[in-house]
Amino acid sequence: TQLLEQSPQFLSIQEGENLTVYCNSSSVFSSLQWYRQEPGEGPVLLVTVVTGGEVKKLKRLTFQFGDARKDSSLHITAAQPGDTGLYLCAGYGAGSYQLTFGKGTKLSVIP
Amino acid sequence: ETGVTQTPRHLVMGMTNKKSLKCEQHLGHNAMYWYKQSAKKPLELMFVYNFKEQTENNSVPSRFSPECPNSSHLFLHLHTLQPEDSALYLCASSQGQQNYDGYTFGSGTRLTVV
Repeated sequence: TQLLEQSPQFLSIQEGENLTVYCNSSSVFSSLQWYRQEPGEGPVLLVTVVTGGEVKKLKRLTFQFGDARKDSSLHITAAQPGDTGLYLCAGYGAGSYQLTFGKGTKLSVIP
Repeated sequence: ETGVTQTPRHLVMGMTNKKSLKCEQHLGHNAMYWYKQSAKKPLELMFVYNFKEQTENNSVPSRFSPECPNSSHLFLHLHTLQPEDSALYLCASSQGQQNYDGYTFGSGTRLTVV
């Protein structure tokens, strides 16, 4: 079983602060995806990272895939209340067609 | 509009009832999935259909019965459920099973078993 551990589980910050959340595994993943889920809705894909060491930016969000493709991070600059939600990482293990999800980081950005 | 529509949004059912969850996608995707989302647990994959054929059944109890009549529609038939089956049930679709474009999820059905 390929597990994805996300940390922290919960994060509450003030508007304008920066934050980083992490997604770690002991297994290698061929790719990792990040989703955001708002209350009462399904997860929405933010980004896919494929290459070890890859960095992708989406406005104030920066995603990085570890060199060994076992971990990933999401950094948010100047957080806004609209960033509030559950951030999920998910990955395809090597040779696997099943997308494995982490438990998520629940982010609250206070105005 | 997510492209994946689930009905109903909320469902309360007794342990002896029979009900069905419906999922519909108009994205032209050929793979569809049922996931269970419970508090403090990762999303749990239940069933996978690829081109209408079931390709995964992750040891799901027989009180959950999926049906995929065509590539656009997916059902989850429920009978004699237990209170621990209360959860958010999410349907998703993708173009192929390993897809860098990711999954498109519906808004889910919040199921409460009483």
